Amino acid sequence: DIQMTQSPSSLSASVGDRVTITCRASQSISNYLTWYQQKPGKAPKLLIYAASTLQSGVPSRFSGSGSGTDFTFTISSLQPEDFATYYCQQSYGTPVTFGQGTRLEI
Amino acid sequence: QLQLQESGPGLVKPSETLSLSCTVSGGSISGSPHYWGWIRQPPGKGLEWIGSMYYTGNTYYSPSLKSRVTMSLDTSKSQFSLKVNSVAAADTAVYYCARASGSNWLVFEYWGHGTPVTVSS
Repeated sequence: DIQMTQSPSSLSASVGDRVTITCRASQSISNYLTWYQQKPGKAPKLLIYAASTLQSGVPSRFSGSGSGTDFTFTISSLQPEDFATYYCQQSYGTPVTFGQGTRLEI
Repeated sequence: QLQLQESGPGLVKPSETLSLSCTVSGGSISGSPHYWGWIRQPPGKGLEWIGSMYYTGNTYYSPSLKSRVTMSLDTSKSQFSLKVNSVAAADTAVYYCARASGSNWLVFEYWGHGTPVTVSS
């Protein structure tokens, strides 16, 4: 199985901050990297796929980059509604695997 | 707008079978090239992929669950289903159904709200 390691596991930030989360795969996954946002009690929401492609309707302050084994997810200017947990997921092949999550707190 | 809704018992006894359904509305369950998946999340923990199936019936299961899991599709009811045999406390989780499409067959674009399942006697 491909192991996905996110860092940090938690992050404190303020409205307006720029924040970056990293995700590392245990082997090359090309650009088959997906990012989700999950708020408490809610289902995950697809934000970015193919490492850098913004899902329709997702604000442009969210961005992603990387290929191979190292990926980054950035929020350029935090908004109050962005405080949530973020997961990376490799879509390179089965079994699908997720990172452990990054909890973004105020 | 596509909507997915999970349903099933919220409490299952150890060693019994967990059975869940996901009802799809606002779109066809048998349309190509859609893939239907199940993902679960134990309380306070991260996401775990259970499996995915193509509308033709091809299935892809997590190796860690493969021996206990069956997924199926009922196009007449616009539902797909999950069965997990011989459940234990470790199977307690919120279970989500989801849809992926085409070449992004492992990118889950649409999700249900999730249904909590507790395994306890």
